[in-house]
This record gives sequence, structure tokens and C-alpha cells, in this order.
Amino acid sequence: ETGVTQSPTHLIKTRGQQVTLRCSSQSGHNTVSWYQQALGQGPQFIFQYYREEENGRGNFPPRFSGLQFPNYSSELNVNALELDDSALYLCASSLGGELAEAFFGQGTRLTVV
Amino acid sequence: GQQLNQSPQSMFIQEGEDVSMNCTSSSIFNTWLWYKQDPGEGPVLLIALYKAGELTSNGRLTAQFGITRKDSFLNISASIPSDVGIYFCAGQNYGGSQGNLIFGKGTKLSVKP
Repeated sequence: ETGVTQSPTHLIKTRGQQVTLRCSSQSGHNTVSWYQQALGQGPQFIFQYYREEENGRGNFPPRFSGLQFPNYSSELNVNALELDDSALYLCASSLGGELAEAFFGQGTRLTVV
Repeated sequence: GQQLNQSPQSMFIQEGEDVSMNCTSSSIFNTWLWYKQDPGEGPVLLIALYKAGELTSNGRLTAQFGITRKDSFLNISASIPSDVGIYFCAGQNYGGSQGNLIFGKGTKLSVKP
């Protein structure tokens, strides 16, 4: 059984650019959630995808968008990057429904300069 | 919105000591989870609690889901150096098929050999 994998592990972008982060969910999981974790803080919910549909969104602007593919892998896209977007971006997969156990990838460290 | 208060913010203990940390919320949750995060890694699930009053163990770790559904605690017995890390509580509610996690700010644990 493969775990959650994210790519790339580190990324440096310039303010105003666009970025795409990728996530492969754990085998058998149909739900993917994305979180932003600023330094010294707990993860903050960005949005969730369930069977290729957005299924909930946190307090993030529309320039944060995502996709889920038929194999349940997912992408997080951020447009018009701002300095405050620098953070660890975490992907978590779960079975969906009422089983809450979400398993996280190792994260992508994004630095915006 | 919902917020979790996690305490203490940090702990510095001697190897072999027991540790206790807790999490409180202004509103109820259906599920409580505890995660551990090492530097540069994603959070790793330690324990999931699904029922008010539930007490669950995982090796030296024990967690309880408070009766009011607004709190949870985590105990670590006989701490060892590899227990070092940041421990996060997370609460979750399910409405339909959505279930994002709300995280506390973490308890940083340091263990002196």
C-alpha cells in the first residue's frame, strides 16, 4: 500500500508567478484535502476534493484552485503568488464519508521571493 | 469560525517522565484526532477518536474524547528521545460528505536524555 506522495518537495517562486503542486493519494482513498501550514502554526484547510468534485473550501481566495483526477491524484494551483503564500503545503488523503482518518504527505515547501 | 486552543505551547521534560497535553474548542466536534509532526515532514496520525468519552491507546500514547465533545487530551507515558516533535490536535465535523480538519497550534515537546 503506497502512502501519500507530494511533488516537488521544495520550490522557490517569484511574486506574481503561478505554481502547481501535485499529490498522489494513498491507494484506495477517494478524498484529497489541501492544507497550508505557515511557520509555527497548525495546518489551515484550503479545500477538499471528493470523486473529482470540490467538496468544501476554507477561507482562501479564488486564486487558490485545484483539480482531482480520475485516479484520485490532485493538483493545487496558486495564481498571482504573494509573499505571504510562503508556507508548507500539505496534501492529505482519506476514504471519505465519516471515516475521518486523513493521512498526510511530506509536504511541499514553497518560498515566494 | 471554530478555533482550537491547545496547551501547553511547549514542554521540556526529562526522559522517562509522563506528558499530558490538551485541546479545547468553543464548539463541539464529532471526531478528534492527534498528530505528530517532525521538522520538514507532514503530520503523522497517532490516534483517532470517534465517540464522546472514548479512551484509546496506541502503545505509550493514550487519548480521550471529552464528554462535552469540546475537548480532548493526549498522554504520553515514559517519554523517550524520539517523542520529540510537535503534537497537533484536530477536530472534525461531517456535514454531508465534507469533513475538513480544524487544527490547534501545536505543543512542542522536547525530551532531555
